[in-house]
Amino acid sequence: GEDVEQSLFLSVREGDSSVINCTYTDSSSTYLYWYKQEPGAGLQLLTYIFSNMDMKQDQRLTVLLNKKDKHLSLRIADTQTGDSAIYFCAENSGYSTLTFGKGTMLLVSP
Amino acid sequence: EPEVTQTPSHQVTQMGQEVILRCVPISNHLYFYWYRQILGQKVEFLVSFYNNEISEKSEIFDDQFSVERPDGSNFTLKIRSTKLEDSAMYFCASSEATGGYTGELFFGEGSRLTVL
Repeated sequence: GEDVEQSLFLSVREGDSSVINCTYTDSSSTYLYWYKQEPGAGLQLLTYIFSNMDMKQDQRLTVLLNKKDKHLSLRIADTQTGDSAIYFCAENSGYSTLTFGKGTMLLVSP
Repeated sequence: EPEVTQTPSHQVTQMGQEVILRCVPISNHLYFYWYRQILGQKVEFLVSFYNNEISEKSEIFDDQFSVERPDGSNFTLKIRSTKLEDSAMYFCASSEATGGYTGELFFGEGSRLTVL
């Protein structure tokens, strides 16, 4: 079945760039997503990329997609303490289904 | 800003008891979902619901689970006879369009279910 894997933890200093990586198995994925979960809150869509794109930039966020290697990454430039959260990679694997990874906890220290 | 709300935020129950988790989706959304996350594991899809019927469900969503939209605003998940392995955070979500076509899913804060 479909699977999404991501590293569990990343620690960076404020002002540095953060890169969160994700691999997926479903080659028929149409869209790939990054969701963010802050403490005590639900998952919030951060950004997404269509599978025929290889890069998408949105302010401090850059998403890179390597479809051949089924690798997705999220780069956060100038990481702030407010970026500390859990980041979930997800891909659509059905008509209305998203398959999520376990989430990467990003800890930003001052 | 409209949001998805879930109640209760935390429920503790005895094994074998019935549990109902409630969700109020965003009012103009048409698609509703339940996901769950067992501690330390992935967020897993349970079921999607559209036009008053289940549109898709996973292997997890067996006969012990049911969903209902009883009054046009609430969307409920019922677990008939809870098992220890049902302990998880249950997330409700809603969207204007299907999630697979950039219909953004809006998630609630989750209901933590603990089965003893």
